[in-house]
Amino acid sequence: EAQVTQNPRYLITVTGKKLTVTCSQNMNHEYMSWYRQDPGLGLRQIYYSMNVEVTDKGDVPEGYKVSRKEKRNFPLILESPSPNQTSLYFCASSPPGGRPSYEQYFGPGTRLTVT
Amino acid sequence: AQKITQTQPGMFVQEKEAVTLDCTYDTSDQSYGLFWYKQPSSGEMIFLIYQGSYDEQNATEGRYSLNFQKARKSANLVISASQLGDSAMYFCAMRDRSKAAGNKLTFGGGTRVLVKP
Repeated sequence: EAQVTQNPRYLITVTGKKLTVTCSQNMNHEYMSWYRQDPGLGLRQIYYSMNVEVTDKGDVPEGYKVSRKEKRNFPLILESPSPNQTSLYFCASSPPGGRPSYEQYFGPGTRLTVT
Repeated sequence: AQKITQTQPGMFVQEKEAVTLDCTYDTSDQSYGLFWYKQPSSGEMIFLIYQGSYDEQNATEGRYSLNFQKARKSANLVISASQLGDSAMYFCAMRDRSKAAGNKLTFGGGTRVLVKP
C-alpha cells in the first residue's frame, strides 16, 4: 500500500529537549515536505527536499532542521523545542515535475506539545 | 506572493442539504492547480478534488464539485446531499508551477463544517 508514515503520532516534551520526528514514504517520490498546522493559519511549509541531499527552507523554517540521506526518509529535527512549536506536523511526498495535477500524499500527522 | 483566503471559519449544514465552501486565491501565475482537502477529527488530510487553471470544465468527484471562476479567482467547493460523515475541517490549497519548492501547497485557514441531523 502506497503510504507516508510518521512517528511518533503524539509527543509531549519539555522545552529544550531535542527531538526527531521521522517520515518515510514507499512511493519512490523525489519530493518531500514538512508542514505545520496551526488554527486559522492552515498548513505552512517548513522545509522541503527535491532529492537526496537536496533540502531547502520553506515559509517557516526557524527552529527546525531536516536531512535527506535516503530517498524514502525525511526526518524533522527540533534541536531545542520551544512552546511556540506546539503544533500538528505533517510530512508529505509527491512525484517531481511542474505538472500541477500531482497531488501531495500526506502522512497521518504528529501532534507535538512542548511544555 | 500566493495567498488563499477562506472567509468562513465555521458553518452548520442540515443533513441532506448542499453546502458551498468559499475559497479565493491570489497568484500572478497563469498555470496553477487548486485542491480541496478534508480533515476529519482524526487529523489526517484527505484529498477531495483538483482543478487545473487551464481546465475548461469544473471538476467533479462524486458528491464534490468545484465551482471554478477564474476571472474572479475563486474555487468554491460544493458538497451535495451532506452526510454526518462530512463534518470536518476543509482546506483549500493552491500550487503554481513557477514555485518549485518541492511542489509546495499554499493553504487557506480552513472552514469547519458541522452537519446537523
